[in-house]
Amino acid sequence: GIQVEQSPPDLILQEGANSTLRCNFSDSVNNLQWFHQNPWGQLINLFYIPSGTKQNGRLSATTVATERYSLLYISSSQTTDSGVYFCAVEPYDYKLSFGAGTTVTVRA
Amino acid sequence: EPEVTQTPSHQVTQMGQEVILRCVPISNHLYFYWYRQILGQKVEFLVSFYNNEISEKSEIFDDQFSVERPDGSNFTLKIRSTKLEDSAMYFCATRGDDSYEQYFGPGTRLTVT
Repeated sequence: GIQVEQSPPDLILQEGANSTLRCNFSDSVNNLQWFHQNPWGQLINLFYIPSGTKQNGRLSATTVATERYSLLYISSSQTTDSGVYFCAVEPYDYKLSFGAGTTVTVRA
Repeated sequence: EPEVTQTPSHQVTQMGQEVILRCVPISNHLYFYWYRQILGQKVEFLVSFYNNEISEKSEIFDDQFSVERPDGSNFTLKIRSTKLEDSAMYFCATRGDDSYEQYFGPGTRLTVT
C-alpha cells in the first residue's frame, strides 16, 4: 500500500513562532487532507488539498502532487495550536491512509 | 455547515459484549467509512460502504465486525464480541459524489474492560 511519512515527529515551539510540517507520500493520489487532533481526540479537518495552495487564517498548505509531498505552515503559533497533526492521502482506492502524525507543543 | 454526528461519545463495555456504534452522515453523502485509532497510534481504515454494500474492508475488519444502514439515515458499526484490543477511538466519515473530501465525525471512544 501507499506509504505516508510525516516529519518531524515532534515539534516544540515558542508562542508566536512559525513552523512547517511535511508529508511525503509514495504514489499518486486523488485526495490529500490535513487534520488536527485536539485534546479530546476529535479530528478537525484543516485542508482538503490534493494539489495547489490554500490558506485559512494562520494556517496554509501546499501540495506538489508531481513531487508527492505536502507542507502545512503554521504562522504566529498559539498554545491552542498544540496537538497532533495528521496528513492523510487517498491513492485512487477510496480510502484514506494516514501518516503517523506530528505532535506539536506550543509553549507560552 | 453540515456535520457528521456519532453516538455515543464514549462507551464502556465488558469483554465479550456486543456494541453498536452509530453515525449520522451528512444528508446527501453516499460514501461511508469507519476508521479506528488505538491510543497513541495512527488512524487506520476499517471499512467503506456504498450503495448498501461493503466496497472494501481491511484485514482488521474480521467476522466480529459488521456494518449496515438500517433505516436509510444512520450508519452503524457492530462489534459482536468485544475484545480488550478493540479499545480505541472509532471515527465515521462520509463523502459526497462531487468531491473526494471525507468529513469525519467526532468519534466514539470505546473502552473494553
